[in-house]
Amino acid sequence: NAGVMQNPRHLVRRRGQEARLRCSPMKGHSHVYWYRQLPEEGLKFMVYLQKENIIDESGMPKERFSAEFPKEGPSILRIQQVVRGDSAAYFCASSPGTGNMNTEAFFGQGTRLTVV
Amino acid sequence: KQEVTQIPAALSVPEGENLVLNCSFTDSAIYNLQWFRQDPGKGLTSLLLIQSSQREQTSGRLNASLDKSSGRSTLYIAASQPGDSATYLCAVSGGADGLTFGKGTHLIIQP
Repeated sequence: NAGVMQNPRHLVRRRGQEARLRCSPMKGHSHVYWYRQLPEEGLKFMVYLQKENIIDESGMPKERFSAEFPKEGPSILRIQQVVRGDSAAYFCASSPGTGNMNTEAFFGQGTRLTVV
Repeated sequence: KQEVTQIPAALSVPEGENLVLNCSFTDSAIYNLQWFRQDPGKGLTSLLLIQSSQREQTSGRLNASLDKSSGRSTLYIAASQPGDSATYLCAVSGGADGLTFGKGTHLIIQP
């Protein structure tokens, strides 16, 4: 049973380009969460998704950032017109379908985005 | 708004010592608390999950306790080894807005 798979592991983008980060949850998990870890900062929640639905996006910046979790395929975190401040490690976590309240979250290896 | 604090921020001890990492949270209305380990440049590995109704969980040389009413958790590591060197993160779950993390304790075990 493969764990949470994120790709790419490392991504370099020039300012103004788009970044697409992918996350495949663990088999049997239908809940996906995205977190961002800035240098010297703790992990911060960004968005919580279930298949085809955004449940909570209270941690997502209002502009340039979007997330989806389609019926088929991985969850995608999309950052448009990247700026240097977007450089960070982005982690995806998944949990089983009963919701996040009492279940363990499993994390991927992260995507390290560098904006040059 | 939930806030999670971890003390100490960094700790360096000789191999073989028993040690305690501390975590405190401001809102006691949590569903569970998780301890993670993060190695440099790597993802998070879940160590222990304590449900809000539980007092402690054990896995090998690790023991985590939870005092929900006082907003505290401790992670006890027995007989520390150099391979335990990592950053240890505490996180609480309070609902649909995911986990709230502390900034971690950076642990170095000296051979």
